[in-house]
Amino acid sequence: AQSVTQLGSHVSVSEGALVLLRCNYSSSVPPYLFWYVQYPNQGLQLLLKYTTGATLVKGINGFEAEFKKSETSFHLTKPSAHMSDAAEYFCAVSGATNKLIFGTGTLLAVQP
Amino acid sequence: GAVVSQHPSRVICKSGTSVKIECRSLDFQATTMFWYRQFPKQSLMLMATSNEGSKATYEQGVEKDKFLINHASLTLSTLTVTSAHPEDSSFYICSARPLKLAASYEQYFGPGTRLTVT
Repeated sequence: AQSVTQLGSHVSVSEGALVLLRCNYSSSVPPYLFWYVQYPNQGLQLLLKYTTGATLVKGINGFEAEFKKSETSFHLTKPSAHMSDAAEYFCAVSGATNKLIFGTGTLLAVQP
Repeated sequence: GAVVSQHPSRVICKSGTSVKIECRSLDFQATTMFWYRQFPKQSLMLMATSNEGSKATYEQGVEKDKFLINHASLTLSTLTVTSAHPEDSSFYICSARPLKLAASYEQYFGPGTRLTVT
């Protein structure tokens, strides 16, 4: 079975500060890992994904994530937060089945 | 590229009526489409997996007679909520997996449909 845990349902940072959103996964097979962003009343947009190869993955809007097998983690980071980054972020895992298994989401607030 | 549309974006219907939601992949073919339901401030709950030309696979606890899914072509899947009730009010999101990305399990999401049943 696969599962995803996102620590912190709400994260607040100041504009210009580091963004760190945590994601830990559980998987009995090599995982494929994804981060999606959702703005209010909209669908999900893919930020980045890890399938195989390089463990540091760069995505859109300056975000990146590092796959750490030993820690079963795939944390999302951005060096400097922007007001437009305020949104809900979902981590997801796949690989054992045809499905994406989502975490419960982290709402990111960016303070001016 | 990889755009998924949903129609309508918002719908209000009366209790007991049926509502159809369309999901289209605009610039790619998708053998597999997915339907999710999202309650306010919660994560996405997979309802069913839809494969072109075959019956949908429903997740445990999802009533297949209530949520009818049809995947008639490689670019269109529909979800019909039959005999809708207020508790069916929710945000419904579809996604599609491009043929060329099938091995990576990546999905592209539509913008969602807000259903309100009065």
